[in-house]
Amino acid sequence: QQQVKQSPQSLIVQKGGISIINCAYENTAFDYFPWYQQFPGKGPALLIAIRPDVSEKKEGRFTISFNKSAKQFSLHIMDSQPGDSATYFCAASNGNKLVFGAGTILRVKS
Amino acid sequence: EAQVTQNPRYLITVTGKKLTVTCSQNMNHEYMSWYRQDPGLGLRQIYYSMNVEVTDKGDVPEGYKVSRKEKRNFPLILESPSPNQTSLYFCASSLSYRGPEKLFFGSGTQLSVL
Repeated sequence: QQQVKQSPQSLIVQKGGISIINCAYENTAFDYFPWYQQFPGKGPALLIAIRPDVSEKKEGRFTISFNKSAKQFSLHIMDSQPGDSATYFCAASNGNKLVFGAGTILRVKS
Repeated sequence: EAQVTQNPRYLITVTGKKLTVTCSQNMNHEYMSWYRQDPGLGLRQIYYSMNVEVTDKGDVPEGYKVSRKEKRNFPLILESPSPNQTSLYFCASSLSYRGPEKLFFGSGTQLSVL
């Protein structure tokens, strides 16, 4: 049973476009929501994270939008670049465990 | 260089032959964890450790063992591997007192059990 549901499974975006990946969760005890980026042959790396007391967090071209009432959060990549092509994982934590979504394979076409 | 080191990078073994995947971090992190990554399932937590001698089960602990005798090391042990444990394994660590925040991941171990 996937505690964090992520969509879409794959995404193709033109260079300069906006990439949007969505996640939904059920457990209201989750209080930390990170996004990880993984390139082929590498381990995941923390990209950006948010806590439920804010609705949005922006770091450069990457933005997390958080909707506590809907139990949903999303990653927006503005001005997407070919170098952003990777697998993206959302996750949620309650302080001990970190539960990941199934991942989204992003391809940015130049 | 701050890093999480896993060994081996690739491992092919046969059913029932005990194996250990080592994990070491040089960042003095309290929290360490093991994950397995399977297509379509993302990363699933196997075991985690909040500190030395403190370990607990993740979501998929069956068939695995861990130990945390030293802060820097967190080996993953498969006592009797089976084909359904063929997977890509990642070790990760975090300094945070809140557990799995700002995780640093190793480069992974690709395990094939025949």
